[in-house]
Amino acid sequence: AQKITQTQPGMFVQEKEAVTLDCTYDTSDPSYGLFWYKQPSSGEMIFLIYQGSYDQQNATEGRYSLNFQKARKSANLVISASQLGDSAMYFCAMRGTYNFNKFYFGSGTKLNVKP
Amino acid sequence: DTEVTQTPKHLVMGMTNKKSLKCEQHMGHRAMYWYKQKAKKPPELMFVYSYEKLSINESVPSRFSPECPNSSLLNLHLHALQPEDSALYLCASSHLGEEWQPQHFGDGTRLSIL
Repeated sequence: AQKITQTQPGMFVQEKEAVTLDCTYDTSDPSYGLFWYKQPSSGEMIFLIYQGSYDQQNATEGRYSLNFQKARKSANLVISASQLGDSAMYFCAMRGTYNFNKFYFGSGTKLNVKP
Repeated sequence: DTEVTQTPKHLVMGMTNKKSLKCEQHMGHRAMYWYKQKAKKPPELMFVYSYEKLSINESVPSRFSPECPNSSLLNLHLHALQPEDSALYLCASSHLGEEWQPQHFGDGTRLSIL
């Protein structure tokens, strides 16, 4: 079975500082993908970044980077130079090889960026 | 602009009404999904269509009836809903068979049951 755990229900960060959102996972799939989504209060789910289980390098997309530690089964999202518009819910998700129809979501982290 | 389009954006209906939610994508994705999301919670999977066939039904009550008329369209027919069905309903699509492909979501329909 797949499981995604996000242990930080809420986080605060000062504008222009970096912040790390934690995500750990559990799976028996031989290969899998890990994803981060941002959901502003308006409701849309925005895909941010992807990390493959066989990727040797950590993924980066602009101000977003993924700190992937496969042995520890963690895939933390790092947001650099936080902006007020980064205030939102952030969900970690996973998709595996055996049941690629399903995406498994963590419980989410609410990030608040302070001016 | 999202590449998955959902209509309507907002819907208020009584418990005896029949309504439908619509979702459309033109990205060539062959998997389409319906999710229900309550405030401050992650999306809950309801249905998955693969190649226009229902592949996953997460024990959803029969008052929700999905339909996939073609590879670009996904509907969710609603009938005799309960107040607890009030939620944000999200449609998503993705490529099949490749675990590195993300889901792409629509903006959602905010549903309120009176």
